Amino acid sequence: GAVVSQHPSWVICKSGTSVKIECRSLDFQATTMFWYRQFPKQSLMLMATSNEGSKATYEQGVEKDKFLINHASLTLSTLTVTSAHPEDSSFYICSASQGTSEQYFGPGTRLTVT
Amino acid sequence: GENVEQHPSTLSVQEGDSAVIKCTYSDSASNYFPWYKQELGKGPQLIIDIRSNVGEKKDQRIAVTLNKTAKHFSLHITETQPEDSAVYFCAAFRNTGNQFYFGTGTSLTVIP
Repeated sequence: GAVVSQHPSWVICKSGTSVKIECRSLDFQATTMFWYRQFPKQSLMLMATSNEGSKATYEQGVEKDKFLINHASLTLSTLTVTSAHPEDSSFYICSASQGTSEQYFGPGTRLTVT
Repeated sequence: GENVEQHPSTLSVQEGDSAVIKCTYSDSASNYFPWYKQELGKGPQLIIDIRSNVGEKKDQRIAVTLNKTAKHFSLHITETQPEDSAVYFCAAFRNTGNQFYFGTGTSLTVIP
């Protein structure tokens, strides 16, 4: 149980385009979903927290107009990187929680912006 | 806010030996401490966790200890195997704020 999927697993896009990443909780309802960014050989950096039906709460320094987060249902959250630039290239990981302390992580999405 | 420190950053052990990774935290209100294993190109996988009302927890070759007074917790892996090679992250969580604070990670290499 407690499986979280992400799609796509990797994506290459051109500078200036937008990319959408999906995060799904497959066998449970996720009241809260989290989006992280991870650079090579570094720890996870929390970008934002989203609760179903509410606006996401962004961490300091994260541009909410650039990283659009939607948590429209209890099983799906999306992260859209708008007007992507090479510096947005990173490993993006989502996690989901049922309202308890446990978080279950997705497999991650490797974004490369050329 | 919470500050989680993790040591060592890299660790190499011979197959069959034990590995110990230590984390300290600063916020006494933190009450949940999970450990994650992350393999290259994959998301973190929960391997063991402990809550603040427990001092030790064990699951086969993996154990976690928690010292609330000193605000530190440790991951112990016994009889290490090559497939244990990965990056391990500790984290601290407190209910208020609903946020995880991650350590900086430990790259474990088990040498066959």
